[in-house]
Amino acid sequence: NAGVTQTPKFRVLKTGQSMTLLCAQDMNHEYMYWYRQDPGMGLRLIHYSVGEGTTAKGEVPDGYNVSRLKKQNFLLGLESAAPSQTSVYFCASSPGTSGGLDTQYFGPGTRLTVL
Amino acid sequence: GESVGLHLPTLSVQEGDNSIINCAYSNSASDYFIWYKQESGKGPQFIIDIRSNMDKRQGQRVTVLLNKTVKHLSLQIAATQPGDSAVYFCAENMVGYKLSFGAGTTVTVRA
Repeated sequence: NAGVTQTPKFRVLKTGQSMTLLCAQDMNHEYMYWYRQDPGMGLRLIHYSVGEGTTAKGEVPDGYNVSRLKKQNFLLGLESAAPSQTSVYFCASSPGTSGGLDTQYFGPGTRLTVL
Repeated sequence: GESVGLHLPTLSVQEGDNSIINCAYSNSASDYFIWYKQESGKGPQFIIDIRSNMDKRQGQRVTVLLNKTVKHLSLQIAATQPGDSAVYFCAENMVGYKLSFGAGTTVTVRA
């Protein structure tokens, strides 16, 4: 199993550009999540999904959109990138079989810089 | 608001000694806690978890202690090795499946 994979690993954008980050998991997990991590701060939840075709807002959703068209994939979109979105983005997944008391497994991250 | 946090941002440990990393939480309704390890340039890696109906759980070289009376969580690492150098996060399951993370403790192992 590859676990949770993310593409791309690095990306540099100019302000106003758009992009999509792809997350894929091969563990047949129901739940998937997108976090951002900034220096000196813990991980903050952007959006999450509890199943194929569902999405919900997390702690810091503004400026981002997500889609979960397939169970194994969770996409994070930035429609008009801003310098404040410079961060490291992590995707995670969890089984969703314990009423929410699940371990989340993380991908390797995408480092995004917005100029 | 209620959140998970760590007592110390950094911890320096002599190789071979035991490490103790602390975490305080304020939400008495939290029922699941996880410790993660994050090495430079990598994603968080699961270490060990504990549910609120337990006080202690042991893994390989690691032990998590939960004190619900004072809302305190700790991670003990036995015989700390250079490969244990990383940032350690505690995470709290506050609402269903959503985790709330603390800012992390950076552990440095001295040779």
